[in-house]
Amino acid sequence: DAKTTQPTSMDCAEGRAANLPCNHSTISGNEYVYWYRQIHSQGPQYIIHGLKNNETNEMASLIITEDRKSSTLILPHATLRDTAVYYCIVRATGANSKLTFGKGITLSVRP
Amino acid sequence: DAGVIQSPRHEVTEMGQEVTLRCKPISGHNSLFWYRQTMMRGLELLIYFNNNVPIDDSGMPEDRFSAKMPNASFSTLKIQPSEPRDSAVYFCASSPRGGLGALYGYTFGSGTRLTVV
Repeated sequence: DAKTTQPTSMDCAEGRAANLPCNHSTISGNEYVYWYRQIHSQGPQYIIHGLKNNETNEMASLIITEDRKSSTLILPHATLRDTAVYYCIVRATGANSKLTFGKGITLSVRP
Repeated sequence: DAGVIQSPRHEVTEMGQEVTLRCKPISGHNSLFWYRQTMMRGLELLIYFNNNVPIDDSGMPEDRFSAKMPNASFSTLKIQPSEPRDSAVYFCASSPRGGLGALYGYTFGSGTRLTVV
């Protein structure tokens, strides 16, 4: 699986949009971009995934650049409960593909 | 659905003792994964199963670790003998395999916090 690069940490104000960047310059054509988050003391939680089109669900939006070398996870109205470590992962779908976690980015939402 | 269920939530044991961690995946999920998380190494994949068969155990740190999946609804991770450096949070996750469902990734349990003293 291709590797990803994320900043170590960032913060944002409650109620504002949080834009979390991720670089994946070596991504292959059959690899998807996944985002998970891990709130303190809990297991990781799936947020969203995409291949090349922008995606949106009830939790977040995922914007993937046209060359697919980077993406941004957007939490439109961050709350204190969104404080967590966010992992950007590139993974090929297939019977034996694996989800490999990096260090992620720590998002702190301030009141 | 109750999600992925792990037991126990916390385990404290003495060095040299055998430890068994348990996991019940989501019904209908064909793939099961065991991860370990420490501050130093982050989340590491130890082993995963497809249809109860171990596919890749390259992440298992050494022979003291073993995992089994006797049926589709139960898996165990055993450490024998345990050592202080095994102290970590162990997560189990499950995923549907094949079809559109497989694109949605894994559902993780709440983890077992293991402390070996």
